[in-house]
Amino acid sequence: QVQLVQSGNEVKKPGASVKVSCKTSGYTFYDYGIDWVRQAPGQGPEWMGWIGPYNGNTKYAQKLQGRVTVTADTSTNTAYMELRSLTSDDTAMYYCVRERRAYGAGVFSYWGQGTLITVSS
Amino acid sequence: EMVMTQSPATLSVSPGEGATLSCRTSQSVGTNLAWYQQKPGQAPRLLIYSASSRATGTPARFSGSGSGTEFTLTISSLQSEDFAVYYCQHYNNWPPWMFGQGTKVEMK
Repeated sequence: QVQLVQSGNEVKKPGASVKVSCKTSGYTFYDYGIDWVRQAPGQGPEWMGWIGPYNGNTKYAQKLQGRVTVTADTSTNTAYMELRSLTSDDTAMYYCVRERRAYGAGVFSYWGQGTLITVSS
Repeated sequence: EMVMTQSPATLSVSPGEGATLSCRTSQSVGTNLAWYQQKPGQAPRLLIYSASSRATGTPARFSGSGSGTEFTLTISSLQSEDFAVYYCQHYNNWPPWMFGQGTKVEMK
C-alpha cells in the first residue's frame, strides 16, 4: 500500500531553517509528483510547492518563492522540503502529498502523517 | 489572484439528514476542483476530484457537482463519521493551487 512517512516534529528559532523528509513506499516514486502542503492552527491548508521526480521540475507558491526548496531523491524514494528564514508565521503542520495520477498534478490522493514545525524564540 | 469562498462556515445537521456545501471561485476553473474531508488530528482525505468523480473509497452518499465558478458537495444522509471539516481546492492554471477556508459540519 502507498505510504508516506515524514520526519519528526521540530522546534526552531526565528531566522533558522528546517528540512523535512518524506520517505515513500508502495508505488513507483519516479512516476508521481509530490506536493508540500502546510496548515497553520485553525486555518485551511496552504499549498507550498511541487516536484516531479520524473523530470526534476519544481513549482512554488509565489509567497514562499526564495525561501522554500523541494527536492526528490529517486535512489531512496524520498522527497524533502527545506524552508529558510523562519518566522512565527511558519508555525504549522507540514504535509507531503502524492498526486492521484501518474504525471498529473493538483489532486492530492495520499498524505503523510504530518510534521509539526514550531517557530519560537 | 484567485479567491475561494466556502459557505456556510458551519453547518449543523442531525444524523440521517442531508447536507449541501458550497464552494465558489472568483475565476472559472472548469471542473478542476476537488473536495477533502478533515477530522481533528488527521490529515485531509480526498473525497471528490474533477468536481464530481468519487475518489477510491469515498462512499456513494457523497456527490459533487458544478463547473466554472460554482460547486456543490452533497452528503445525502449524514453518518456519525461524516462530522468533520470539508475543504474545496482548485487545481486549474497552477501555481498556486488554493484551498477554501472550509465548512465545518457539526451535529445538531
